[in-house]
Amino acid sequence: EDQVTQSPEALRLQEGESSSLNCSYTVSGLRGLFWYRQDPGKGPEFLFTLYSAGEEKEKERLKATLTKKESFLHITAPKPEDSATYLCAVGGNFNKFYFGSGTKLNVKP
Amino acid sequence: DGGITQSPKYLFRKEGQNVTLSCEQNLNHDAMYWYRQDPGQGLRLIYYSQIVNDFQKGDIAEGYSVSREKKESFPLTVTSAQKNPTAFYLCASSIDRNFGAFFGQGTRLTVV
Repeated sequence: EDQVTQSPEALRLQEGESSSLNCSYTVSGLRGLFWYRQDPGKGPEFLFTLYSAGEEKEKERLKATLTKKESFLHITAPKPEDSATYLCAVGGNFNKFYFGSGTKLNVKP
Repeated sequence: DGGITQSPKYLFRKEGQNVTLSCEQNLNHDAMYWYRQDPGQGLRLIYYSQIVNDFQKGDIAEGYSVSREKKESFPLTVTSAQKNPTAFYLCASSIDRNFGAFFGQGTRLTVV
């Protein structure tokens, strides 16, 4: 069964306290792994695309990495404005996308 | 600017009514999608369309209907058969599964 699992469900950090979010997947016909940021009441905003194991992408304080079975979103020295829900998705068969339930990140000043 | 426009942002429906949510994109994407998001939950796929005049049911299609008469437009109708329609609805489009999906800003539907 095609499935994407994100952990933890929620994460509270102090400003400057680095951490990582996990996305594990079991999807046949994988065609890319995607990270999104979603603010309350808004649509998800596209962050990164990863295609192959070993690939890394960076944007400001965020770095996404990919292995054969999971991806990590590393947050270095986070700021309160990084508080949001981070969603992971994979592209599978029939042009479908499979989403995880997200990690809600709260960064305290 | 290219993007996806959903309207309205907020929608109130009386029980027993059908309502239609609008989704328009000017990204020239072939594929379009409708997702439902409930509090604390991930996105669940309602319907998707890979080309004009073609669409497929997703995981939770019961009580919903769609049409895809134009490449740019993919409206979603929430029918009275949908027993629990209160949710946040998101429309997305994509070139294909290799390039990720881009989302609109959502419509929040509330049954009153």
